[in-house]
Amino acid sequence: EPEVTQTPSHQVTQMGQEVILRCVPISNHLYFYWYRQILGQKVEFLVSFYNNEISEKSEIFDDQFSVERPDGSNFTLKIRSTKLEDSAMYFCASSVFPNTEAFFGQGTRLTVV
Amino acid sequence: KNEVEQSPQNLTAQEGEFITINCSYSVGISALHWLQQHPGGGIVSLFMLSSGKKKHGRLIATINIQEKHSSLHITASHPRDSAVYICAVRLNYGGSQGNLIFGKGTKLSVKP
Repeated sequence: EPEVTQTPSHQVTQMGQEVILRCVPISNHLYFYWYRQILGQKVEFLVSFYNNEISEKSEIFDDQFSVERPDGSNFTLKIRSTKLEDSAMYFCASSVFPNTEAFFGQGTRLTVV
Repeated sequence: KNEVEQSPQNLTAQEGEFITINCSYSVGISALHWLQQHPGGGIVSLFMLSSGKKKHGRLIATINIQEKHSSLHITASHPRDSAVYICAVRLNYGGSQGNLIFGKGTKLSVKP
């Protein structure tokens, strides 16, 4: 069964460092998403991406964040200068269309120290 | 303001019990998702609904668009059903590329 894969599963980084979280969406999917979940809180939307550009983003997704599809398979989330409050579980998801079922990856747990 | 409300927040059941988790929302939606989050954190999509009812194995999801309410039922519950169940809605407005708004989740624990 096709699945969304995320790497790494856990990343520890020092405050101020740049991190790149990687995702491989399901191959025939066209829409890609990033979400985050701070420990103990609900999942929050960050950004959606279609046709090589951001189609929608939340207030959380400020200038510190960027997304890219560097090749035909990967979808990345970059945090330029990490802050302690960026510590969270980051989920990638993909769907064929925006109104079809979204499939989630297993998440990357980011810990900023 | 919470656009998606789930109840109960926590639920403990005995193995074999019939379980219902509720989700209410206050906005116009194009679809509603039920998701399962395992203790390790991974999220699995269970259902996507825009009307009516869907069934998969022991899981049943229903939605009432007029009442802005959805329920997730688990029949013959089992300890392996223990997880957090999350309701998420996809807003219905022009130009939306479909970001999801999530509820806080219902933590289910099924005892043997």
